[in-house]
Amino acid sequence: SQKIEQNSEALNIQEGKTATLTCNYTNYSPAYLQWYRQDPGRGPVFLLLIRENEKEKRKERLKVTFDTTLKQSLFHITASQPADSATYLCASTDSWGKLQFGAGTQVVVTP
Amino acid sequence: EPEVTQTPSHQVTQMGQEVILRCVPISNHLYFYWYRQILGQKVEFLVSFYNNEISEKSEIFDDQFSVERPDGSNFTLKIRSTKLEDSAMYFCASSEVSYRGTEAFFGQGTRLTVV
Repeated sequence: SQKIEQNSEALNIQEGKTATLTCNYTNYSPAYLQWYRQDPGRGPVFLLLIRENEKEKRKERLKVTFDTTLKQSLFHITASQPADSATYLCASTDSWGKLQFGAGTQVVVTP
Repeated sequence: EPEVTQTPSHQVTQMGQEVILRCVPISNHLYFYWYRQILGQKVEFLVSFYNNEISEKSEIFDDQFSVERPDGSNFTLKIRSTKLEDSAMYFCASSEVSYRGTEAFFGQGTRLTVV
């Protein structure tokens, strides 16, 4: 079955810099990868979706890339702000809309 | 903005007791899901539900679990005889369509503590 791997180490970054998070999948290339934000004790909130045939997707300060050769997606937060501090989850979408999540990467943005 | 609502926010129950977690999905959504997240671990899929039946379930979703859509708005998860290891945050989610790639809207979760 598909396995989604994210860097478990927290990413500490200074305000204004770009945070880059990695998501790797192990088996078949998912048709879609999705990125969610999760704050402590809260449900995941959808951020971005990228299709297998798309190289890059942007939304405001967020950018996602999808490299099927490397079996990897990168998630970038540009001009990071303390309010961006959260855990970011990568998920592949399977049949019937089932999401398979990675463990998430915590981002801490310091002023 | 429409949102998925879950009740209660926190439930404490004794081992062996039955619990029902409730969810009100977004009104025009057709696909419903339950996920759980054990403290410090990743969000795990439990079950998906469409057209009044289960469309997919995980290995976690054994005979102790059941789901129901008793009316046009509620979606429930029942755990028949809770175990200590059922302690987790349970999230309900809904989506408009199920084809790969549709975003899921999550509720704020029910924290279930089994003692």
